[in-house]
Amino acid sequence: GESVGLHLPTLSVQEGDNSIINCAYSNSASDYFIWYKQESGKGPQFIIDIRSNMDKRQGQRVTVLLNKTVKHLSLQIAATQPGDSAVYFCVIRMNTGFQKLVFGTGTRLLVSP
Amino acid sequence: EPEVTQTPSHQVTQMGQEVILRCVPISNHLYFYWYRQILGQKVEFLVSFYNNEISEKSEIFDDQFSVERPDGSNFTLKIRSTKLEDSAMYFCASSARTGNNSPLHFGNGTRLTVT
Repeated sequence: GESVGLHLPTLSVQEGDNSIINCAYSNSASDYFIWYKQESGKGPQFIIDIRSNMDKRQGQRVTVLLNKTVKHLSLQIAATQPGDSAVYFCVIRMNTGFQKLVFGTGTRLLVSP
Repeated sequence: EPEVTQTPSHQVTQMGQEVILRCVPISNHLYFYWYRQILGQKVEFLVSFYNNEISEKSEIFDDQFSVERPDGSNFTLKIRSTKLEDSAMYFCASSARTGNNSPLHFGNGTRLTVT
């Protein structure tokens, strides 16, 4: 079966610092990886994705790195803001042709001013 | 920005009762999904739906569950006879296509409490 796990359940940073959230996955057949953010009382919100033929992708203040050799995914947030406080999920998509997503356990990011 | 909307936000029901959770996906999206999240646990896939039929379902999605797109805008999840262990947040999602560069957009969920 597939599994997705994050390294830390909670990450505390100061406002303005860079944050790095790490994730390990077990299924080498996954072709698509996504980071979602979930704020309290809301549904998961798409942040950034990366295909398996890439090792890095950048968005606005966020960068996702993929290391397929060790099955490791990370999300980097630059200049973290209090509004970034949320639970971050590492998600893989199974190769079923449809969007069956497998969510990790989530890392809670706490940003203090 | 278009949103997936879910109603109600909180539903309380007694064990054995039927419940229908409602969702309005983003209007030009063609693929629809239900996920659930038991308190403190992972978000889990339940079912995907395309072209008026189920395209994939998980082991959780047994005969007690059904989905329907009764009209051009709504997408519903029905649980026929609720059990205590059905208590969870249920998230509806939609996507324009299946595949890369077509992320799922989630609603804010319905919290189902079975007593």
